[in-house]
Amino acid sequence: DGGITQSPKYLFRKEGQNVTLSCEQNLNHDAMYWYRQDPGQGLRLIYYSQIVNDFQKGDIAEGYSVSREKKESFPLTVTSAQKNPTAFYLCASSRSRTAIAKNIQYFGAGTRLSVL
Amino acid sequence: AQTVTQSQPEMSVQEAETVTLSCTYDTSESDYYLFWYKQPPSRQMILVIRQEAYKQQNATENRFSVNFQKAAKSFSLKISDSQLGDAAMYFCAYRSAPAAGNKLTFGGGTRVLVKP
Repeated sequence: DGGITQSPKYLFRKEGQNVTLSCEQNLNHDAMYWYRQDPGQGLRLIYYSQIVNDFQKGDIAEGYSVSREKKESFPLTVTSAQKNPTAFYLCASSRSRTAIAKNIQYFGAGTRLSVL
Repeated sequence: AQTVTQSQPEMSVQEAETVTLSCTYDTSESDYYLFWYKQPPSRQMILVIRQEAYKQQNATENRFSVNFQKAAKSFSLKISDSQLGDAAMYFCAYRSAPAAGNKLTFGGGTRVLVKP
C-alpha cells in the first residue's frame, strides 16, 4: 500500500542525547515536511524539502536537523540543543513543490517523543 | 506572515445534528488555498475539504461543506448529520498559492464532541 511511514511510534530521549525520527514515503512525492504538535495546539512547520539534497527551515527549526539524501526518506534529528522536545511529530509529503490545488499534503501517523 | 485563528476550542453536537466550526485568517495575498483537516484519536491528519480562494462557489464533500467569505477572511466548516465517527480535532489551514514550497499554516484546532 502507498503511504507515509513514521517510526518509531514512541520515542524517549535522555538529557543531552540526539534522537532521529524516521519518515519514509512510497508515493513518489517530491516534497516532504516535518511538523511539531504540542498538546492542544496546531501544527508548526520545522523543516521542509522540495527536492532531494535540498531543504529549508520552517518556523521552528532551532534544535532540529534534517537530511534528504533519497527521495523516499526525510529523517528528522532532534538534537540536544532542543530544550523542550516533548511533542508529537508529524511527517507529510506532497506530489510537488508547487502550490496548485491538487498538491495536497498527506500525513504519516506520527511519532510521540518524550524526555526521560 | 499569515495567521489562522480558530476561536472555538471545543464544540459539542448531538448525533444527526449539524455543527459549524469557525476559522478566520489574516493575509495580504489575493490567491491562496484553505483546508480543513481532521485529526481523530489516532492522531493521523486527514484532509476533509479544500477551497481555492479564486472560486466563489463553496466547496462540499458529502456531509461536509464550507462557507467561504473572502472579504471577511472567514472559512467555516459545517458538518451535517453528525456521526460518532466525526468526533475529532479539526484544524483549519492556509496555503499560499504563489509561494513555492507548499507550506501550510494551521490554526489551533477545535475539538468536536458527538453525543449519541
